[in-house]
Amino acid sequence: QKEVEQDPGPLSVPEGAIVSLNCTYSNSAFQYFMWYRQYSRKGPELLMYTYSSGNKEDGRFTAQVDKSSKYISLFIRDSQPSDSATYLCAMKDVTNAGKSTFGDGTTLTVKP
Amino acid sequence: NAGVTQTPKFQVLKTGQSMTLQCAQDMNHEYMSWYRQDPGMGLRLIHYSVGAGITDQGEVPNGYNVSRSTTEDFPLRLLSAAPSQTSVYFCASSYDGTGNGYTFGSGTRLTVV
Repeated sequence: QKEVEQDPGPLSVPEGAIVSLNCTYSNSAFQYFMWYRQYSRKGPELLMYTYSSGNKEDGRFTAQVDKSSKYISLFIRDSQPSDSATYLCAMKDVTNAGKSTFGDGTTLTVKP
Repeated sequence: NAGVTQTPKFQVLKTGQSMTLQCAQDMNHEYMSWYRQDPGMGLRLIHYSVGAGITDQGEVPNGYNVSRSTTEDFPLRLLSAAPSQTSVYFCASSYDGTGNGYTFGSGTRLTVV
């Protein structure tokens, strides 16, 4: 069983929709939770990160972490065609901070 | 301000050949990592380093070697290329081990025939 499982998608939504992207994990030692966005044929870029449980908001993006359920989410409000990309969740254990464990990614298409 | 620079961008190797994928960063980051990305399998960690002179294995280290003689450079060596190593390789760096996350390079697309 993988340490990090991500909703596989693909996901296709109309412009303006609210998008929910989700990951679950099994390692209770994970403390840092990141979301990356990857456009086709490009390297991933960091969108947001949170430490431990709670919410974090940045513009149209909100990251949520529920450590009790080992579940994290990324919400995108008022989605735009430019949000079309693959979204990857990633997690770190503070005792082994050199390693990040990634989900397999969810590909999102926002249709105009 | 180049960030993370990977060379080459594309490479075709014959089975059994060796080569080195170069990675350099100019952000004075201590942490550097190599990942491979295959369709449907996300990013898998090959090797990582938490500082010059310190390296460790990731999830899929077999067939690859690394060294970290300087803070800036973290080359990945393929010892004897196999078709199973056909993949996109990403180098990444971060300032520390917190959630500040990685800065990724643009990747090297490797095909082994």
